[in-house]
Amino acid sequence: EDQVTQSPEALRLQEGESSSLNCSYTVSGLRGLFWYRQDPGKGPEFLFTLYSAGEEKEKERLKATLTKKESFLHITAPKPEDSATYLCAVQADHPHTGGFKTIFGAGTRLFVKA
Amino acid sequence: DAGITQSPRYKITETGRQVTLMCHQTWSHSYMFWYRQDLGHGLRLIYYSAAADITDKGEVPDGYVVSRSKTENFPLTLESATRSQTSVYFCASSPRDASTDTQYFGPGTRLTVL
Repeated sequence: EDQVTQSPEALRLQEGESSSLNCSYTVSGLRGLFWYRQDPGKGPEFLFTLYSAGEEKEKERLKATLTKKESFLHITAPKPEDSATYLCAVQADHPHTGGFKTIFGAGTRLFVKA
Repeated sequence: DAGITQSPRYKITETGRQVTLMCHQTWSHSYMFWYRQDLGHGLRLIYYSAAADITDKGEVPDGYVVSRSKTENFPLTLESATRSQTSVYFCASSPRDASTDTQYFGPGTRLTVL
């Protein structure tokens, strides 16, 4: 069964304390893996798309990497404004329709304390 | 303002009533999506549309109806609301092939079914 699992569920960091969030997936026919940021009461906001193992993308303090089984979102020297829920989503071939499907993980809630 | 909007932002209704959630985007994106977000489940796809007059089921379509007569609008109707449909609903759009393009999310509609 297709599955996307994010860990940890919640992460508390001190300002400047670097860490990583994990997104492990089990899907057939991966088309792409997406990272989103979601602030309370708002819709998800796009961060990165990764398409193949070994790919890396960076944006400010965030860096996303992809292997065949998981993706990491590395946060370097986080600031309080990085506090949010980070969502991982996988798009894969749909086995019956010939189209695609999108599977979201439950998210990691990040708290960064000043 | 350009972008993707949802209305209403908050809705309280009673079991058995019909409810329509509206979604409007100004980018002329081909793809549009409806998701629901529940604690512990992450985002789950209800329906999506690849173009006007083309719609398809997602992961959890039961109890919902969609239509797309115009590219910019994608309303979601709950024909007979149930308590299990209490959730936050997000609309999203994507410019081209949604398997390689990011999705841009609206601000969400919080629906409570009493």
